[in-house]
Amino acid sequence: GAGVSQSPSNKVTEKGKDVELRCDPISGHTALYWYRQSLGQGLEFLIYFQGNSAPDKSGLPSDRFSAERTGGSVSTLTIQRTQQEDSAVYLCASSLGRTYSYGYTFGSGTRLTVV
Amino acid sequence: AQTVTQSQPEMSVQEAETVTLSCTYDTSENNYYLFWYKQPPSRQMILVIRQEAYKQQNATENRFSVNFQKAAKSFSLKISDSQLGDTAMYFCAFMKLGYGQNFVFGPGTRLSVLP
Repeated sequence: GAGVSQSPSNKVTEKGKDVELRCDPISGHTALYWYRQSLGQGLEFLIYFQGNSAPDKSGLPSDRFSAERTGGSVSTLTIQRTQQEDSAVYLCASSLGRTYSYGYTFGSGTRLTVV
Repeated sequence: AQTVTQSQPEMSVQEAETVTLSCTYDTSENNYYLFWYKQPPSRQMILVIRQEAYKQQNATENRFSVNFQKAAKSFSLKISDSQLGDTAMYFCAFMKLGYGQNFVFGPGTRLSVLP
């Protein structure tokens, strides 16, 4: 597609439920990043995928968070047993290559609210 | 680890005036990139300007320019002839050179351009 697409745009869930957030990167982009933006904060790195390599999961805050990327394209971020502190905007970005020289494009994010 | 600090949580400026947003960072790296990103209410992160640390010349993009002081680890953004559409959150970000590097973002400055 023309840009990075994220769905849903907004999600309200009850504490303890599982949620799945989707990111559809720009076609042909091999690198994909997930970031979390808590209220009033900057973006916090969560996970990075590059082609078929093992993902860099060093930013995931707990084992309740996981992500996968199928066929090197669409990615799903899953949060199990959601907690109120998981409420945030989750942003996805993709890039054509492994270095910044290729540039990054961000999606518009999913606003997750845990009640 | 790198850190990015933005000491101005909120700022305002009159339309057509000039405003400067501050950013300082801490790193032991010698080669890196610095960025200013704009986040309007649509939530999408939009690249405003980029600076390579090895370049002494300050980057400029139309009405946007930076004052990069590598020794002082300072990277301020100047917006000239402010427009109503410049109203947004502005994030300063750092990235090491290399493969698969992710951004380290500051907490952001909310800029309001007043008519």
